[in-house]
Amino acid sequence: SQQGEEDPQALSIQEGENATMNCSYKTSINNLQWYRQNSGRGLVHLILIRSNEREKHSGRLRVTLDTSKKSSSLLITASRAADTASYFCATYGNKLVFGAGTILRVKS
Amino acid sequence: GAGVSQTPSNKVTEKGKYVELRCDPISGHTALYWYRQSLGQGPEFLIYFQGTGAADDSGLPNDRFFAVRPEGSVSTLKIQRTERGDSAVYLCASSLQRGPPGTDTQYFGPGTRLTVL
Repeated sequence: SQQGEEDPQALSIQEGENATMNCSYKTSINNLQWYRQNSGRGLVHLILIRSNEREKHSGRLRVTLDTSKKSSSLLITASRAADTASYFCATYGNKLVFGAGTILRVKS
Repeated sequence: GAGVSQTPSNKVTEKGKYVELRCDPISGHTALYWYRQSLGQGPEFLIYFQGTGAADDSGLPNDRFFAVRPEGSVSTLKIQRTERGDSAVYLCASSLQRGPPGTDTQYFGPGTRLTVL
């Protein structure tokens, strides 16, 4: 069974716009991670946020974590066509549990 | 440097047959993980090795699935009496495991697409 649930299931935006994806989970966690998957590069780790952190940045990525609401969001700023991929959140309690993902399409 | 490699990239077999899927982790990575990904879903944890031993095999769906890592490097996932429902992409990942479990970046291989006819 998968704990994380991403929202929306699919997102289509224009190049240059920001993309926001949300993740909700059910049980307590040690950390939450975001991954990207496309056919060219497989599954790639993007960012990890610990349960005692509220926000983290990496380049054009911004991740927030609200443990009281058991939710996280991933913001990609100034999107590019190359950002087109599936994005997964994964929670770590004692193993990595992935959600079903958000399919992001960035149109040029 | 070389990443995680998996062979074969594609495997087609018939229901009831036995298959082996191989994973070569990044050199020096002590932790190795197997996941299964069905179409339209995220990866699902199967088993985690720390060195040669299976530290957590709670994700293996039943006793038809077994995995080994005899020398603490290459791992083989073995599936007996395959069923059509076993069709999926099987992903392998490795990490350095320098800190507590779950804190290291897992590096994923390209996967083996298994199709059971």
